[in-house]
Amino acid sequence: EIVLTQSPATLSSSPGERVTLSCRASQTASSDYLAWYQQKPGQAPRLLIHGASRRATGIPDRFSGSGSGTDFTLTISRLEPEDCAVYYCQHFGRSVRKTFGQGTKVEIK
Amino acid sequence: QLQLQESGPGLVKPSETLSLTCSVSGTTISSSTYYWGWIRQTPGKGLEWIGSIYFSGSTHYNPSLKSRVTMSVDTSKNQFSLKLSSVTAADSAVYYCVRDVDTTMDLFFDYWGQGILVTVSS
Repeated sequence: EIVLTQSPATLSSSPGERVTLSCRASQTASSDYLAWYQQKPGQAPRLLIHGASRRATGIPDRFSGSGSGTDFTLTISRLEPEDCAVYYCQHFGRSVRKTFGQGTKVEIK
Repeated sequence: QLQLQESGPGLVKPSETLSLTCSVSGTTISSSTYYWGWIRQTPGKGLEWIGSIYFSGSTHYNPSLKSRVTMSVDTSKNQFSLKLSSVTAADSAVYYCVRDVDTTMDLFFDYWGQGILVTVSS
């Protein structure tokens, strides 16, 4: 069963900075099935990236995804104040069909 | 614009059955492309996929919940539903209904309801 481990747990950066979030799979994972979500306080998660690198409709191009194998990355090229949120990765599991990482909280300095 | 809206009781007694319905607007749940699912969120366990259902009635359930979960779809009302039996305090969570893209090439949840808080307490 694939376990997704996200790091860091919390990240604090200044507006305009480049931010990199990590999602590590416990075994080789297909990039076709790796997705990223953003959840702001009091809101439902929102799809950002699917297929490891494909931006969802309406997502700003400062968000990008990359990676393969066991290591996947979500990058925010220029952090904006509205990017303050928790970010989750998600993948396919053989027994639990859809699994999530535990999340990375992004704070704005 | 596609929208999903959860409805149901916000308080359920221990050992009883939690029942939620998701009303879909802006598209038909009979679309052959999508599953329709439920995800819950707790502070302790984070996001947990509960299960998904196809308009034909075909289902995928999380093995950890499978013995207690029943999902159904009502195409005439454009709704789908979740029943979780024998609930305990551990089932207290925010429950989201979602549109589930589940194909050989893609796997993600592209639309989410706003969520409904369900508390299990006597």
